[in-house]
Amino acid sequence: QLQLQESGPGLVKPSETLSLTCTVSGGSITNSSYYWGWIRQPPGKGLEWIGNIYYSGSTNYNPSLKSPVTISMDTSKNQFSLNLRSVTAADTAVYYCASYLVLVLAATEYFDHWGQGRLVTVSS
Amino acid sequence: DIQMTQSPSSLSASVGDRVTITCRASQSISNYLNWYQQKPGQPPKLLIHGASSLQSGVPSRFSGSGSGTDFTLTISSLQPGDFATYYCQQSYSSPLFTFGPGTIVDVQ
Repeated sequence: QLQLQESGPGLVKPSETLSLTCTVSGGSITNSSYYWGWIRQPPGKGLEWIGNIYYSGSTNYNPSLKSPVTISMDTSKNQFSLNLRSVTAADTAVYYCASYLVLVLAATEYFDHWGQGRLVTVSS
Repeated sequence: DIQMTQSPSSLSASVGDRVTITCRASQSISNYLNWYQQKPGQPPKLLIHGASSLQSGVPSRFSGSGSGTDFTLTISSLQPGDFATYYCQQSYSSPLFTFGPGTIVDVQ
C-alpha cells in the first residue's frame, strides 16, 4: 500500500521559492506504472493540477500556472519535489502529492493515493 | 486545453435521496473520466474511474455513466458519510490533467 507524505515550509515570502518534498513509502517511484504528481487547493476552492514526473524523469506542467514550476525526483531517497518560483499570495494553498496509476491493458488511469496535504501560506 | 464543468455547483439533499451530479468536457474525452470525493480536511478519494468502473472498496450506491462529453455520478441512496464535495477529472489528455470545479453536497 503506497503512502505519501508532504514536507516543507508552511510559510513563504512573496517573490521567493516554494519548495516541497513528497516522500513515498510502500513502493518505488521507479515503478513504470506510475506518474508522481502535485495538486493544490486554495482555501475554500477546488483542485488544481500542477504537474507530474515519470520514473524516466520526464515532466509535465499545467500551462495555466503563472509561477514558474519545476518537479524533480531523487530515486535514492524515493522522493519527488516541487519548486514554485516567484510566488504570490495567489499561491497560498494546500499542496498535495499524489500517485497516478496508469493501467495500460485496462485502458484506465487515475490518482490512487494522496498525501494528507501541506498548507503553504505566502505572506511577508 | 480541455475544460471541465460540473453542475450543480452545490445541492442540498437528505439521507436516502438519490443524487445526480453532472460533469461536462469541452471536447470528447471518450471514457477517460474519474470521480473523487473530498471531505473537509482530507485529500480526495477515488470513487469511479473510466467513467463507470467502481473503485475497489467503494460502496455500490455510487455509480458513474457517460462517454464523450457528458458524464454523471449518481448516489442511489445518500448516506450520512456522503456529504462532501465531488470532483470529476479528465485523463484523456494524460499526462496533462484537468479537474472540474466541484459539486458540494450538503444537508438539506
